Amino acid sequence: DTGVSQDPRHKITKRGQNVTFRCDPISEHNRLYWYRQTLGQGPEFLTYFQNEAQLEKSRLLSDRFSAERPKGSFSTLEIQRTEQGDSAMYLCASSLAGNSGNTIYFGEGSWLTVV
Amino acid sequence: GQQVMQIPQYQHVQEGEDFTTYCNSSTTLSNIQWYKQRPGGHPVFLIQLVKSGEVKKQKRLTFQFGEAKKNSSLHITATQTTDVGTYFCAYGAGSYQLTFGKGTKLSVIP
Repeated sequence: DTGVSQDPRHKITKRGQNVTFRCDPISEHNRLYWYRQTLGQGPEFLTYFQNEAQLEKSRLLSDRFSAERPKGSFSTLEIQRTEQGDSAMYLCASSLAGNSGNTIYFGEGSWLTVV
Repeated sequence: GQQVMQIPQYQHVQEGEDFTTYCNSSTTLSNIQWYKQRPGGHPVFLIQLVKSGEVKKQKRLTFQFGEAKKNSSLHITATQTTDVGTYFCAYGAGSYQLTFGKGTKLSVIP
């Protein structure tokens, strides 16, 4: 499968614990995005990488959140000291620079439940 | 900040009936994209509209971008059970982030 893959698909964690999600984008895509989606809402932008550089961050991305893309390929999203409000689906997406209109391809998402 | 409003929030139709969802903005949009998300799934890109008054068709789906580029619609002719899901419009505001509407959830009664 050559789509965007995310791991783990589901994570249940206790409040206060740290969690990390991994995203492997489509191989030739140099742009990578993280979005968050809660029930009944559309995806909300969190952050964007072009190659290894993090170029945009939403104000939704509090200091407990950190994202990296060290070699310009896979990315990780870490949430420290999780809170119940962090429960959501975390979606990774990728696109190719020069792609007209910035069409992005989403992964299947990582569901986080904080108990 | 700039937002898009989608209506209706929910729509229940009998299989074979038509369905339309609308996406409205108070300001001019440079482009509009439409995504479909099946229950339990992830958003899947359907189409992008860029030009004023643009109309694009994909089989039973017809997408329109308003003349003023402030609204857009997705129309499905003769719905099927495979059309079930939530349809989102989204726009890019000059940066690389997309802003999504809240979506219209379509249920199709067989």
